[in-house]
Amino acid sequence: KQEVTQIPAALSVPEGENLVLNCSFTDSAIYNLQWFRQDPGKGLTSLLLIQSSQREQTSGRLNASLDKSSGRSTLYIAASQPGDSATYLCAGETSGSRLTFGEGTQLTVNP
Amino acid sequence: DGGITQSPKYLFRKEGQNVTLSCEQNLNHDAMYWYRQDPGQGLRLIYYSQIVNDFQKGDIAEGYSVSREKKESFPLTVTSAQKNPTAFYLCASSRRDTVSGANVLTFGAGSRLTVL
Repeated sequence: KQEVTQIPAALSVPEGENLVLNCSFTDSAIYNLQWFRQDPGKGLTSLLLIQSSQREQTSGRLNASLDKSSGRSTLYIAASQPGDSATYLCAGETSGSRLTFGEGTQLTVNP
Repeated sequence: DGGITQSPKYLFRKEGQNVTLSCEQNLNHDAMYWYRQDPGQGLRLIYYSQIVNDFQKGDIAEGYSVSREKKESFPLTVTSAQKNPTAFYLCASSRRDTVSGANVLTFGAGSRLTVL
């Protein structure tokens, strides 16, 4: 059974700092790894999707990497802004079209 | 605009009562899902449906029931058998990306259920 873990659980940084969020998964037979953003009391918004054949994806200030052999993915946020404050969740898709989610990292960017 | 609508946004229930959460989508997606989210935890899958008139149990289906009579609708009933129903419930639908083959999910805004 796939298990997904995110470290750290919470992170507080000053505005402008570059930061890395970590995601680990136990089953390397994933089809893809997805990163989502969740604002308080809201649903999830998809940020980046990395296919199993890819090593990274970029969107604006966000860059996500995937290393299947080590069971790890990272989300890099450059030049963080207060508007980036949210909870970030990763999820791995395995057989049966099911996604397994991590617990999330709650990010606070201070002005 | 296409999207997923969940209602109600907030719901209060007395112990022993059944409640039904609504989820409607106009994205023409075949698959729909219900997740439960507790504070500080990730999403846990309750039920999912890949086609009309068919659905499967997820990881925490006990105390819940669903139906899928129409493609657009996937209501979730939280029964009195659910021992700890207070949580944030998220509905999602998905399409299979034709290029990558990835299962791309779209989420609703969620429904917060509180048992008094």
